[in-house]
Amino acid sequence: DTAVSQTPKYLVTQMGNDKSIKCEQNLGHDTMYWYKQDSKKFLKIMFSYNNKELIINETVPNRFSPKSPDKAHLNLHINSLELGDSAVYFCASSHGYRDRTEAFFGQGTRLTVV
Amino acid sequence: AQTVTQSQPEMSVQEAETVTLSCTYDTSESDYYLFWYKQPPSRQMILVIRQEAYKQQNATENRFSVNFQKAAKSFSLKISDSQLGDAAMYFCAYRDFGNEKLTFGTGTRLTIIP
Repeated sequence: DTAVSQTPKYLVTQMGNDKSIKCEQNLGHDTMYWYKQDSKKFLKIMFSYNNKELIINETVPNRFSPKSPDKAHLNLHINSLELGDSAVYFCASSHGYRDRTEAFFGQGTRLTVV
Repeated sequence: AQTVTQSQPEMSVQEAETVTLSCTYDTSESDYYLFWYKQPPSRQMILVIRQEAYKQQNATENRFSVNFQKAAKSFSLKISDSQLGDAAMYFCAYRDFGNEKLTFGTGTRLTIIP
């Protein structure tokens, strides 16, 4: 009964490949996110969706394309992977209402590009 | 743009002692939220405590409490009776009211000395 689950947990792939990371939340939240944590542990938002609509897109290369088939799912597809894409990618969700503001995170996907 | 600063890359504390982690932030907004997240070696991001800027009372959660100084834009986390399980990276985070984006600090690595 994991609240926010991501698959896979680990992903090792070669440069130039295309890969996807899947995320699902069973909390009934309206808003979902992708965050990237680099090798220095710095966390930065990439995208946010509210009810399947893109609301935040933070200067991320076009090779990254999020897709939200419904409000419980937010997948991240990455084309033409580069060495610099190696990082931990976190999916998160939140209600987005004034009194219920915290984000719940998945366990992260460690992506290694070789 | 909002920024969050954690000036202590690493901290250590004896088990059962008290430790305070510092966080300052910069914003021109008057209504916002502040959070402390914990990231143990398992990589999971866990919410420790949150504070609404419109509340003057400092938030507390069991052994965790904050010192929120709105005028000084300071939001420190105090951990009392430190336990071995408290060892983790701690991230301070900021969110505008009405904005879904979390802005994180660079984190403080906390070590508990038995």
